[in-house]
Amino acid sequence: EVQLVESGGGLVQPGRSMKLSCAASGFTFSSFPMAWVRQAPTKGLEWVATISTSGGSTYYRDSVKGRFTISRDNAKSTLYLQMNSLRSEDTATYYCTRQAYPGIRAFDYWGQGVMVTVSS
Amino acid sequence: DVQMTQSPSYLAASPGESVSISCKASKSISTYLAWYQEKPGKANKLLIYSGSTLQSGTPSRFSGSGSGTDFTLTIRSLEPEDFTVYYCQHYNEYPLTFGSGTKLEIK
Repeated sequence: EVQLVESGGGLVQPGRSMKLSCAASGFTFSSFPMAWVRQAPTKGLEWVATISTSGGSTYYRDSVKGRFTISRDNAKSTLYLQMNSLRSEDTATYYCTRQAYPGIRAFDYWGQGVMVTVSS
Repeated sequence: DVQMTQSPSYLAASPGESVSISCKASKSISTYLAWYQEKPGKANKLLIYSGSTLQSGTPSRFSGSGSGTDFTLTIRSLEPEDFTVYYCQHYNEYPLTFGSGTKLEIK
């Protein structure tokens, strides 16, 4: 059974940093691109970043470029999101997702999500 | 960036009826479109990709159609478990973007 379990969320002050982790199991982690998608309270879904299978290619939405870094450790089957210079508008539930198929940048598995609150 | 306009935001129907949800892209995305179902307390579920291909496990009462800029998710013979929120998402290019969601409620 595919499982994606996020951790590392919580309350953080504006301007500070936080690192999210996603432990993957039930599939060959190194074979799938992975992504983070977020959802602000009472809002819709927003793609944040994607990383290729090897980690050699990364893609970000403009609002997080230069502040967030997506990475992965294939030996540990773990996905990360390092978030620096956090802003109130980054407050959201962050979901770890698996890209469904090669060339199909839709997400077939989602974690339950981890809440990040940026507030003083 | 490609903007996805999803409508309606709210939709009321009765079990057994059929409904359609629209998703319009701000420019052509070929068939690079997915549909998701969101339920409280559950992981989001991929229903359809490539505009019309059912993901494994998606009931056949769900169907997707469209190409270019106009897409539709149709649910026939609504079941009680179908009353929830649905999102479209394009994957033609980065950034990937989602529609604003449609909440399907019981009439």
